[in-house]
Amino acid sequence: AQSVAQPEDQVNVAEGNPLTVKCTYSVSGNPYLFWYVQYPNRGLQFLLKYITGDNLVKGSYGFEAEFNKSQTSFHLKKPSALVSDSALYFCAVRRNSGYSTLTFGKGTMLLVSP
Amino acid sequence: DAGITQSPRYKITETGRQVTLMCHQTWSHSYMFWYRQDLGHGLRLIYYSAAADITDKGEVPDGYVVSRSKTENFPLTLESATRSQTSVYFCASRVDSRSYNEQFFGPGTRLTVL
Repeated sequence: AQSVAQPEDQVNVAEGNPLTVKCTYSVSGNPYLFWYVQYPNRGLQFLLKYITGDNLVKGSYGFEAEFNKSQTSFHLKKPSALVSDSALYFCAVRRNSGYSTLTFGKGTMLLVSP
Repeated sequence: DAGITQSPRYKITETGRQVTLMCHQTWSHSYMFWYRQDLGHGLRLIYYSAAADITDKGEVPDGYVVSRSKTENFPLTLESATRSQTSVYFCASRVDSRSYNEQFFGPGTRLTVL
């Protein structure tokens, strides 16, 4: 079975400060990892993914994520937060061999204060 | 470019009634998915489809029925709605079978069962 843990229900950060949204995963074999963002009353939007190769992945809107295989983590980061980054963030995983569906974490609400 | 659309966006129904949620995509993506989003659970997969006339169960399929007679449409039917099916439902699509490709989500349908 595969699973995703997002240990923080909410992350608060001041505008201009760096932000981190944590994600750890469990999967048999090697993973494909994804981050999605959901704005109020909208569907999920793809931010970035890790497939293979460089552990630091860059995505949309200045976000990046670091894959750490030994810690089974894929934390989302941004050097300087914007108020407009306030949203619900989901981490998701599937294994990279055979067939498996995508498993989502429960989501982390990011609140950026002015 | 309409992308992926869902209708209705909001629906209120009563226990025991049949409800159909519609999903339409204009990209000719082969894979389509239905998720439900509930507080504390994140997104959970209900059903998915690899192509027209090919569907399979996800994590929480009980009480739901799907069909896919055309590539672009993937309706979800609640045959006899229950209060526990009150949720926000998201349809998603993926271009092909390569599981490292991201999913694209519709705007969601908020369903309330009284």
